[in-house]
Formats: sequence, structure tokens, C-alpha cells
Amino acid sequence: DARVTQTPRDKVTEMGQEVTMRCQPILGHNTVFWYRQTMMQGLELLAYFRNRAPLDDSGMPKDRFSAEMPDATLATLKIQPSEPRDSAVYFCASGSDIAGVANEQFFGPGTRLTVL
Amino acid sequence: QKEVEQDPGPLSVPEGAIVSLNCTYSNSAFQYFMWYRQYSRKGPELLMYTYSSGNKEDGRFTAQVDKSSKYISLFIRDSQPSDSATYLCAMSSYSSASKIIFGSGTRLSIRP
Repeated sequence: DARVTQTPRDKVTEMGQEVTMRCQPILGHNTVFWYRQTMMQGLELLAYFRNRAPLDDSGMPKDRFSAEMPDATLATLKIQPSEPRDSAVYFCASGSDIAGVANEQFFGPGTRLTVL
Repeated sequence: QKEVEQDPGPLSVPEGAIVSLNCTYSNSAFQYFMWYRQYSRKGPELLMYTYSSGNKEDGRFTAQVDKSSKYISLFIRDSQPSDSATYLCAMSSYSSASKIIFGSGTRLSIRP
């Protein structure tokens, strides 16, 4: 049963600390997405990759957030330094991208981040 | 103004009722329309997918797209308590098909 995995599931940290979230996409998928979900803003796209290359990170605060794909089985999202307003659930999703076609995105269980 | 607007609810209906969920959008370039379902403390999962205008039916679920009005709907017939979840509409354009814009979600509760 292929699924997207994310670690950690829950993270509580103090303001100013670095936070690293990890995602293992479904094997064979060539697109990876990072989303942030809050009650106020809903589900927002932060960044996405195709074939490990970053395509769009316009939704991400550049000064403190960074997203990378060191290899095809790992995507990371880092926040440094973290702030209370970063508290949210962060989802990773993966999919198989055919040019010009919106394909199903498979979501992981999310990382619930609380910054005190 | 957001590109996709969705009433957050919550919406509570008795078991067996017909449920209607709706979204409006402003970007006329959107061609792909989706509905995702999200259970509490889980990631969203794709429920329905429609290309351009028209209707699509899958079991108790029907998705409708009216591009002239920039309005999409999801109907649930014979609603069940297991349908209780948050429903997010989502859409994207042909040129940026993978960049999906989500609505804020409508929280639905089906009372037994």
C-alpha cells in the first residue's frame, strides 16, 4: 500500500529554533508539493518540485523557509528561525505529472507544528 | 479576494439528506476541477475530478462545473455519518496544471 510518509507527526518548539520536516514521496512519483494548512488561510501551496527540480516556491517566505529534494526519496522543509505564526499543519503530497494535466496528488498525514 | 471562495460551514444535516457543497472562483483559466475530502487529523484525498464544464457522477457523489458562472458544486445523495469530513474544492489551469489552488474547505457533519 504505497503512501506518502512524513516525519515528525507532531513538533513543539520554541521561537527561534530550527525546524526540519521530512517527506518520503510515493515511489515513482515525479512531483512533490509542500502545503501549509491553517484555520484562517486554509491549504496554501508553499513549494513544489518536478523531477527534484524546484518549480515554484512563490508561496514560501524566503527569508526563513527553504525546501529541498536531496534525492528522489526525500523532500525536506526547513524553517529557521521559527516564529509562532508558523504554527500550522504542514502537508507533503506527491503525484505523477503529465504535462498539461492536473493529476491526483497523494497527501501525507501532515506534521503538526506548534511554535511557542 | 481569494481566487477560490468556499463557505467554511460548518454544515450539519441528518443522515439520508442530500448535501450540496459549492465554490466560486475568479480565474477563467481554470480547466481542472477537483473535490478533496479530509477527515480529522488526516491529509486530503481526491474524491472527484472533472475537466472543463459538465457533470460527473460516481456512486452517491455528483460533481458539477458551470464555467460560465465560475461555479462548481458537489452533491452527496443519501448522506451517511461516514461522510462527515471537510470537503475542499480545488482547481488548476492547463498551463499550470500541477499548481492546484484549494478552497478553504467546508466542514460537514451528518447526524445519525
